Amino acid sequence: QVQLQESGPGLLKPSETLSLNCAVSGYSIISGNYWGWIRQSPGKGLEWIGSVFHPGSTYYKSSLKSRVSISVDTSKNQFSLKLTSVTAADTALYYCARTLLYFGEPTGPFDSWGQGTLVTVSS
Amino acid sequence: DVQMTQSPSTLYASVGDTVTITCRASQSITNWLAWYRQKPGKAPNLLIYTASNLQSGVPSRFSGSGFGTEFTLTISSLQPDDFATYYCQQYNTNSGTFGQGTKLEIK
Repeated sequence: QVQLQESGPGLLKPSETLSLNCAVSGYSIISGNYWGWIRQSPGKGLEWIGSVFHPGSTYYKSSLKSRVSISVDTSKNQFSLKLTSVTAADTALYYCARTLLYFGEPTGPFDSWGQGTLVTVSS
Repeated sequence: DVQMTQSPSTLYASVGDTVTITCRASQSITNWLAWYRQKPGKAPNLLIYTASNLQSGVPSRFSGSGFGTEFTLTISSLQPDDFATYYCQQYNTNSGTFGQGTKLEIK
């Protein structure tokens, strides 16, 4: 049974860099799925941020592309999100998730999710 | 970006009812559409993919249909566990946009 667990700082100041990790257990991150980050805020609802496919293809939402990077660490079976120059608009619950095998595309559908981690951007 | 519009925003129903939620795309997404259920404080849970395929482990009272720009999710014989918020998501384009959600509440 796959499990995903997000971790990272919950409070950031404007202009800082958001860094989150997603530890994957019970499943190999090199099995052929895409691994993605999705965020949820009251104002914007659910928003796909980007995805990664081992051994290194990345896909980002166009409006965030200049600030986002996603990478995979196969030795730790985890993947990571970095979002630079954060503002209050980046305040959200951040989820990591896995796409379906064989039927998955970089942007979905996501069949396994972490519990989410709340990130607040405030001065 | 492709815009996804769900209707209604809120739906009132009773246990045992059959309900339908609609999702419209601003341009054709063929059948690259998924439906999720989200309970309060939990992550979304995949119900349907490629518009009509039932995800493993999801009860058969959930069904999906549609192609192109208009899609529906039907839930028959509503159970207490089904009162939650439902989202559609297109994954045809590189924006992966979600609908704004439909909250299913007990009448």
